[in-house]
Amino acid sequence: KNEVEQSPQNLTAQEGEFITINCSYSVGISALHWLQQHPGGGIVSLFMLSSGKKKHGRLIATINIQEKHSSLHITASHPRDSAVYICAVRSHSWETSGSRLTFGEGTQLTVNP
Amino acid sequence: KAGVTQTPRYLIKTRGQQVTLSCSPISGHRSVSWYQQTPGQGLQFLFEYFSETQRNKGNFPGRFSGRQFSNSRSEMNVSTLELGDSALYLCASSLGLGAANTGELFFGEGSRLTVL
Repeated sequence: KNEVEQSPQNLTAQEGEFITINCSYSVGISALHWLQQHPGGGIVSLFMLSSGKKKHGRLIATINIQEKHSSLHITASHPRDSAVYICAVRSHSWETSGSRLTFGEGTQLTVNP
Repeated sequence: KAGVTQTPRYLIKTRGQQVTLSCSPISGHRSVSWYQQTPGQGLQFLFEYFSETQRNKGNFPGRFSGRQFSNSRSEMNVSTLELGDSALYLCASSLGLGAANTGELFFGEGSRLTVL
């Protein structure tokens, strides 16, 4: 079982729909990132969460530390939201003071006009 | 403010060769991390550097190495290339380190390596 599980793997929506992407993880984390990747490879960090909820425009991210679960919501979806959305958890090494990211497999979102 | 710059953007090598990729972080960022992305394995963590020291390493063979310079620029090297090393190699920079690293990650556009 992967340490970070995302669902769904693929999601097709009509413009204007409310979208939810889920992420569950099984390791201890110091933070969780939601990332967006467009064709061509560039990755943009949408949110970094360690607790609660964050909102940026039409995007909302929540995290429940006790349940080890996070959700990314997109309200009033638009074709330009079409991209791969990736959940990544940051775990910390007390020995080295370093950290590492473990990634989910990503959710391919397609929003049709 | 310039973003994270990776060079080269595209390169083609043959099996057995070696390759060096470069990453210049955002000015003032001292932490640089490297990732490999392949269709089969997805995104995987390679290394994290801070203050010229490797702070964490992913599960990759010793053929994968890296370093960070005093100006925070980082390089990664892959020796004795194999076909399976074909991938998009991404670096990201951030302000801090480890548990103190509460800042956002900023990714470069990546270096796409093809091994023939």
